[in-house]
Amino acid sequence: LAKTTQPISMDSYEGQEVNITCSHNNIATNDYITWYQQFPSQGPRFIIQGYKTKVTNEVASLFIPADRKSSTLSLPRVSLSDTAVYYCLVDVSGAGSYQLTFGKGTKLSVIP
Amino acid sequence: GAGVSQSPSNKVTEKGKDVELRCDPISGHTALYWYRQRLGQGLEFLIYFQGNSAPDKSGLPSDRFSAERTGESVSTLTIQRTQQEDSAVYLCASSLATASNQPQHFGDGTRLSIL
Repeated sequence: LAKTTQPISMDSYEGQEVNITCSHNNIATNDYITWYQQFPSQGPRFIIQGYKTKVTNEVASLFIPADRKSSTLSLPRVSLSDTAVYYCLVDVSGAGSYQLTFGKGTKLSVIP
Repeated sequence: GAGVSQSPSNKVTEKGKDVELRCDPISGHTALYWYRQRLGQGLEFLIYFQGNSAPDKSGLPSDRFSAERTGESVSTLTIQRTQQEDSAVYLCASSLATASNQPQHFGDGTRLSIL
């Protein structure tokens, strides 16, 4: 099964841009890449999704290179409330199987 | 509208007892997923439903775990003869379909503690 790999943790000061990269070497042709944010004692929350190139919404941007073997979540001007764990999700479909592989997540700590 | 609802929010039980966890997905979502999250760890995929069917049960940790869904709505995850290693937060999510481009909407989980 394909797996995703992310940095375990990152620190950033308030107001800085944060980039978190996820590796997914075995991504399949039809797979999308989805990023989630999780606060303590809550379920993950959808942030952004993309298939290729660049996607931007009101909270983040997602950069996906041409080979799609990685993706980078970009959070502009982070604040203390962005302290959370960030997961990338890539669907993994094998013959007769369907498994969803979350990375172990990146714990982002925003420092005042 | 209402999001994914899970009950109970917390469950404490003795080793060896059976437990049943409930998930009410967003209305109209045909896909439903169960995950396990141990303390300080990532999400471990357990099982998914397309409608009322679970095509692949290989993600369930052991034969003590089972899940069902009825009416393309509520789902229950049952753990029989609980063990201490079953202690975790069990998360449920739903989506419009199992297609890769359909984001999942998560509940806040059931925190299960086995004494």
